Amino acid sequence: QKEVEQNSGPLSVPEGAIASLNCTYSDRGSQSFFWYRQYSGKSPELIMFIYSNGDKEDGRFTAQLNKASQYVSLLIRDSQPSDSATYLCAVPSYTGGFKTIFGAGTRLFVKA
Amino acid sequence: DAGITQSPRYKITETGRQVTLMCHQTWSHSYMFWYRQDLGHGLRLIYYSAAADITDKGEVPDGYVVSRSKTENFPLTLESATRSQTSVYFCASCEGQPAVDEKLFFGSGTQLSVL
Repeated sequence: QKEVEQNSGPLSVPEGAIASLNCTYSDRGSQSFFWYRQYSGKSPELIMFIYSNGDKEDGRFTAQLNKASQYVSLLIRDSQPSDSATYLCAVPSYTGGFKTIFGAGTRLFVKA
Repeated sequence: DAGITQSPRYKITETGRQVTLMCHQTWSHSYMFWYRQDLGHGLRLIYYSAAADITDKGEVPDGYVVSRSKTENFPLTLESATRSQTSVYFCASCEGQPAVDEKLFFGSGTQLSVL
């Protein structure tokens, strides 16, 4: 089992819809969770992070965390074509020293 | 300019040659990382470093060597390049304070082709 798993997609949603991106992780001791966005040919950039169970909202983005189910998600409301990118779920790990483990990423297409 | 810079941006080499990818950051971040990105695999960790002279293997270290003699530099060397090392390589840095500052800052990447 991979440490961080995501559905690779592609996920296609119409403009204005809600895009839902999901991620599961294997280390029950994980405390923080990050979402990065990566446009084609560019480097990843941080969108959001979440530490506590529940929801965290930032503009059109909402991160949801359920530690009991080892599940974290990212909702994008009112999706725009400019949201078309790959979304990477990332989980810091402190086993054997601090490092961040990434999922394979989910490709999102928002159709105008 | 402040930030994290990688060089070269593009590199073409032949199998068996030694190649060094450079990474420099100006924030004095403690932690630095090398990832490779291939279709279907996302970002896979090659090596990481907690401080100068402290390095450790990640998920896919075979065929790579790193060093960190200064906090700001973290070069990645392919000792004898193979075609399977054709990839996009990202360097990243982080302050690495648990639950306080764990976000990664990425360089622009190096696209390496091994022919």
